[in-house]
Amino acid sequence: QVHLQESGPGLVKPSQTLSLTCTVSGGSFSSGDVYWTWIRQSPGKAPEWIGYIYYSGATYSNPSLRSRVTISVDPSKSQFSLSLSSVTVADTAVYYCVRAHGTYVPFDFWGQGILVTVSS
Amino acid sequence: DIQMTQSPSSLSASVGDRVSITCRSSESISSYLNWYQQKPGGAPKLLIYGASNLQDGVPSRFSGSGYGTEFTLNINDLQPEDFATYYCHQSFSSIAWTFGQGTRVEIK
Repeated sequence: QVHLQESGPGLVKPSQTLSLTCTVSGGSFSSGDVYWTWIRQSPGKAPEWIGYIYYSGATYSNPSLRSRVTISVDPSKSQFSLSLSSVTVADTAVYYCVRAHGTYVPFDFWGQGILVTVSS
Repeated sequence: DIQMTQSPSSLSASVGDRVSITCRSSESISSYLNWYQQKPGGAPKLLIYGASNLQDGVPSRFSGSGYGTEFTLNINDLQPEDFATYYCHQSFSSIAWTFGQGTRVEIK
């Protein structure tokens, strides 16, 4: 069973950078066909894919956020991280770290989520 | 981006009913369609992957079908624990994954 846990500040000021880390336990962190993914969900809205880092280190992010998103990985700690720069109140959401795996890359394991509020 | 449209946005049903939710994509996504269930305060839970494959541990009253641009999630014999919001998700475009807007299943 794979377990993911988000960590980071729950409050970020406008124009600053949101930084979150996901720690993964169980399973193999560096196995093939695994996409370590960030997803967010604003209150009452559908989830929104932010981006992922592939086990090879390649990253892709949502075109609408690409200029502000950085995703990195530290295999030695079984962690991956998200940085979202120049945040505004519109970035207030629950942020999930998620594993996508397999031929159809469904999101099969999710963290519990962390609420990040952007406010001065 | 590939746009995903779910219908209906919400529905009311009774315990024991059969419920169907449709998800349409703006272009063909083969079978790269996954379904999730989300309850208030919780993370989404994977139900169906690859359009029709039941995730381990998910009750067999859930089923999925479809190919190309039109997909359906069916729930037979609706149970009290099934009242939740359901989302579809396309994983065909590996550089831009997208979700449907959700379907809320409420108790009639």
